[in-house]
Amino acid sequence: GQQVMQIPQYQHVQEGEDFTTYCNSSTTLSNIQWYKQRPGGHPVFLIQLVKSGEVKKQKRLTFQFGEAKKNSSLHITATQTTDVGTYFCAANAGGTSYGKLTFGQGTILTVHP
Amino acid sequence: SAVISQKPSRDICQRGTSLTIQCQVDSQVTMMFWYRQQPGQSLTLIATANQGSEATYESGFVIDKFPISRPNLTFSTLTVSNMSPEDSSIYLCSVDGQVYNEQFFGPGTRLTVL
Repeated sequence: GQQVMQIPQYQHVQEGEDFTTYCNSSTTLSNIQWYKQRPGGHPVFLIQLVKSGEVKKQKRLTFQFGEAKKNSSLHITATQTTDVGTYFCAANAGGTSYGKLTFGQGTILTVHP
Repeated sequence: SAVISQKPSRDICQRGTSLTIQCQVDSQVTMMFWYRQQPGQSLTLIATANQGSEATYESGFVIDKFPISRPNLTFSTLTVSNMSPEDSSIYLCSVDGQVYNEQFFGPGTRLTVL
């Protein structure tokens, strides 16, 4: 089945530092979604990327979709303690399984004040 | 966005017993999903539940162990049958969004099997 690899598994930063997590697939993706899960919480949808080379921004968060639609990244500028949590990428299976998501392993972000 | 509730929020069960988890949505949705998540781990899809049809199970999950009901467009249940300590996990339901096919998740059910 479809797999998405996400790195790093953990990232510890000082408040104010930048953070990036990467998601890679061996196959071309129809789209990719990003979710954030706060400690003790449930995943919350952040954004979806569909087009090759697409870049979207949400305040300090920048999301990119690779030209080949096989990789994606989430970059946070000047992290804050409110950014703490696990960030997941999720690939849409497409075709007859459209709507079904395959989640990456997630990157656990810790921000030290 | 959809508002989703799950019951129970947590439970501690004895091995060999069964637990039914309920998922209620505040609007009608076509697709509902059930996931399992070990603490600190990613989400693993158990099955997709569409109203009016049998649930579709992912590899490694079977109906006898995880029977699912989907009686209408706002409700679903997942039963964890004949539980063992390996079933201790967080179980999450989610629904398909209407805009991006994004998913909205319930708060989860934390299950501990002794």
